[in-house]
Amino acid sequence: DAGVTQTPRHEVAEKGQTIILKCEPVSGHNDLFWYRQTKIQGLELLSYFRSKSLMEDGGAFKDRFKAEMLNSSFSTLKIQPTEPKDSAVYLCASSLYGGSYEQYFGPGTRLTVL
Amino acid sequence: QQQVRQSSQSLTVWEGETAILNCSYENSAFDYFPWYQQFPGEGPALLIAIRSVSDKKEDGRFTIFFNKREKNLSLHIKDSQPGDSATYFCAASAGTNAYKVIFGKGTHLHVLP
Repeated sequence: DAGVTQTPRHEVAEKGQTIILKCEPVSGHNDLFWYRQTKIQGLELLSYFRSKSLMEDGGAFKDRFKAEMLNSSFSTLKIQPTEPKDSAVYLCASSLYGGSYEQYFGPGTRLTVL
Repeated sequence: QQQVRQSSQSLTVWEGETAILNCSYENSAFDYFPWYQQFPGEGPALLIAIRSVSDKKEDGRFTIFFNKREKNLSLHIKDSQPGDSATYFCAASAGTNAYKVIFGKGTHLHVLP
């Protein structure tokens, strides 16, 4: 079975641009998560979907970050407009059902905002 | 306020030694504690996990010791190998229907040959 796929692996954006990151979860998984990873803050939850319904939209990340799940096998994370402080690794993960199940992470997208 | 705290940002051991990574938590409702391992350029991957009804979980060279009363746990890596050099995240969640997993900030383990 294929794992979680993320594209692109690297993205460089100018300040103010709109970028869209893509994720394909493990087939059959009900939960999908978007995280931001930095050395200082560690792993921060941006969004959470259960069976395609948005359950958490990331609180402080709401204003410029928008995650969507168009179908059970594809999700996007849009950052608009980008700022230099958004430079980080963005990870997508999926799990069968809930926090007590293993989360399968993709390899991440490294975003650099100039 | 950090709900899951890892006591060391970095740990260095020699090949063959036992590496001990410590973790503590605040929320008494947490009942599932996975440890994730992350290599550079990859996403984290589940290494081993324990539920709060147990005080020990072993899988090969990796063992979790769990102390519910003290709200802490540790990951022991026996006979450490250079290939174990990675970042290890302690995490916690509450309840079988809880979706949110709270991650610690990670401990970067260096195993010297």
